Amino acid sequence: DGGITQSPKYLFRKEGQNVTLSCEQNLNHDAMYWYRQDPGQGLRLIYYSQIVNDFQKGDIAEGYSVSREKKESFPLTVTSAQKNPTAFYLCASSKLGALYEQYFGPGTRLTVT
Amino acid sequence: AQSVTQLGSHVSVSEGALVLLRCNYSSSVPPYLFWYVQYPNQGLQLLLKYTSAATLVKGINGFEAEFKKSETSFHLTKPSAHMSDAAEYFCAVILTGGGNKLTFGTGTQLKVEL
Repeated sequence: DGGITQSPKYLFRKEGQNVTLSCEQNLNHDAMYWYRQDPGQGLRLIYYSQIVNDFQKGDIAEGYSVSREKKESFPLTVTSAQKNPTAFYLCASSKLGALYEQYFGPGTRLTVT
Repeated sequence: AQSVTQLGSHVSVSEGALVLLRCNYSSSVPPYLFWYVQYPNQGLQLLLKYTSAATLVKGINGFEAEFKKSETSFHLTKPSAHMSDAAEYFCAVILTGGGNKLTFGTGTQLKVEL
């Protein structure tokens, strides 16, 4: 079955630690995205990538970093510079072009204390 | 800049009643519009999308939405609510020529009561 996997489902970290969230897709999609979801705020775009070895900042990139070394993988690192990292993080992928919908992974809930 | 506004962060209906979730967009160019559904602690699933082919769009699970340019609206409806429809619903927009960047509304939580 094709799809997007995110691991782990729940993640706990201490303040000041960097943490990396995994996102893998086997849909052969060129574009991949990371969103942050907070209650009452909808989804906000952190980073996106349309091709291997290239990515662009979204609306709330500060305190986050990404890499795109392989087409299938788009890991997100939440750094200690992110002021309020506790949130639900969603990864998505799509074909290139606005006509094509984004497919979402199951999400990772990150709690930083 | 493009944006979407979802009126009503919480909507409650009785089972069997009409579901109406409101979405208005602002865009200076023709948009592509999407409705997604999210069940608790899960990712988003596409319900339907408008890409300028037909103004009335039918989606999964009996949902449909009508694009009304004059009202800049894309409201989601379902004639008869089921308990399984209880979830959070998001409207989203992409500008034509704007690549793949989705802008989401803040979501509407739908509650279905017996």
